[in-house]
Amino acid sequence: GENVEQHPSTLSVQEGDSAVIKCTYSDSASNYFPWYKQELGKRPQLIIDIRSNVGEKKDQRIAVTLNKTAKHFSLHITETQPEDSAVYFCAASRNQFYFGTGTSLTVIP
Amino acid sequence: NAGVTQTPKFQVLKTGQSMTLQCAQDMNHEYMSWYRQDPGMGLRLIHYSVGAGITDQGEVPNGYNVSRSTTEDFPLRLLSAAPSQTSVYFCASSSSGGTNGGELFFGEGSRLTVL
Repeated sequence: GENVEQHPSTLSVQEGDSAVIKCTYSDSASNYFPWYKQELGKRPQLIIDIRSNVGEKKDQRIAVTLNKTAKHFSLHITETQPEDSAVYFCAASRNQFYFGTGTSLTVIP
Repeated sequence: NAGVTQTPKFQVLKTGQSMTLQCAQDMNHEYMSWYRQDPGMGLRLIHYSVGAGITDQGEVPNGYNVSRSTTEDFPLRLLSAAPSQTSVYFCASSSSGGTNGGELFFGEGSRLTVL
C-alpha cells in the first residue's frame, strides 16, 4: 500500500513569516494530493489540493507544489497569521486516501 | 445538508464489550471510509467502501467490522473492545473517492475510551 511521510512534525514561525511542510509518497500511481487543516477539537477540512497532472497550485496565501519524479509535494503558507495555527495533514490518493502523520503549526504573534 | 453525521460523540467501554459507531451522509457519496486518529500517528484508514454492498480493508482493519447496505450509512463495529482501540474515530465520505480525486468530507469525530 501507499506510505506517506510528512515533515516536520512540529513547526513554529513568527507571524508574517512563511511556513513549509513537506510530504513524500511511495506509490507512483497516486494521482491526487490534498492537504487538510485540523483545528483543535475539530474535524479535518480541505484547504487545497493538487492533481498529478499539475505542478503547482495557489490559493491566496496557500500554495502546493508537486514533483512527481521525486514523489514529493509541499505546502507553502505565506504571511502566516495566528489563525493558521493548527495541525496540517497531507494525503496521497489512488483508490483510497492515505494520510501523513501531521504537522502541528504554531504561529507566534 | 447535514453532511457527514457521526454518533455517538463520546463513548466509554469496558474491555470485551462491543459497540457500533454510526455514520450517515446525505450528499449521495459513493465513497465512505473510517479513520482512527492517534497522537503522532495521523489518520489511519480502517475500512472503506466504494458503494453499497462493497467494502474493503484499509491499513488497520483488525478488530473492526463494517457493512454498507445503503449509500447513506456506513457503521463501524467493534467486536470485542480492547484498550488499544482507544482513539478518535472519523468517518469521511467523497463523491468519487481516491480514484478521481474528490474532496473528503469528515464527520465531527467520535472519541472512544476503552478501559
